[in-house]
Amino acid sequence: SSELTQDPAVSVALGQTVRITCQGDSLRSYYASWYQQKPRQAPVLVIYGKDNRPSGIPDRFSGSTSGHTASLTITGAQAEDEADYYCNSRDSGGKHLSVFGGGTKLTVL
Amino acid sequence: QVQLQQWGAGLLKPSDTLSLTCAVYGGSFRDYYWSWIRQPPGKGLEWIGEINHSGDNNYNPSLKSRVTISINTSKNQFSLRLSSVTAADTAVYYCARGHDYGGSTDAFDMWGQGTMVTVS
Repeated sequence: SSELTQDPAVSVALGQTVRITCQGDSLRSYYASWYQQKPRQAPVLVIYGKDNRPSGIPDRFSGSTSGHTASLTITGAQAEDEADYYCNSRDSGGKHLSVFGGGTKLTVL
Repeated sequence: QVQLQQWGAGLLKPSDTLSLTCAVYGGSFRDYYWSWIRQPPGKGLEWIGEINHSGDNNYNPSLKSRVTISINTSKNQFSLRLSSVTAADTAVYYCARGHDYGGSTDAFDMWGQGTMVTVS
């Protein structure tokens, strides 16, 4: 099955822009979805598809894909954006499986 | 407003069978994949498997021999059974709604509150 690789930790200064990346062969066939998880809470979908935000997600969150790399960009990071972020996509092996990246801990300085 | 409400035993002994149920309130039950996802303490998310309203399953190959996901469409519920549990199965277990948007796009757009299951 496919794997998705994320950097374990990223930091950003308050108000600056940060990009969190996710790499995997499956991303050549499927778009990633991105989830924000704060301590002791269930994950929340923040980006899906080419660059779609569910209702209620601030427009400072955006997504993009290039080749086998998907990116989540936060433009003007806020203190409340400090969280773990996970990418997810379907496995490209044709068996309709799903796989998560290992997660990136975002610290807002 | 769609809500997923889950429940099940939180403390198990090694070799027991884990059993969790998730009820879906509001929205269509037919148009989605219904999934289970787990998260060991301090670790990342792991997809366990899914089922659709027709009862078609897909499972994580690493768990497939021990997992059964079933559905009760008359109650808008789906369930997870994981047999022969060990300490490695200790995790928060989430139910989630999988939404296929088409165009190689899908996502888990609704999540249950999570259930901590400890095997000891």
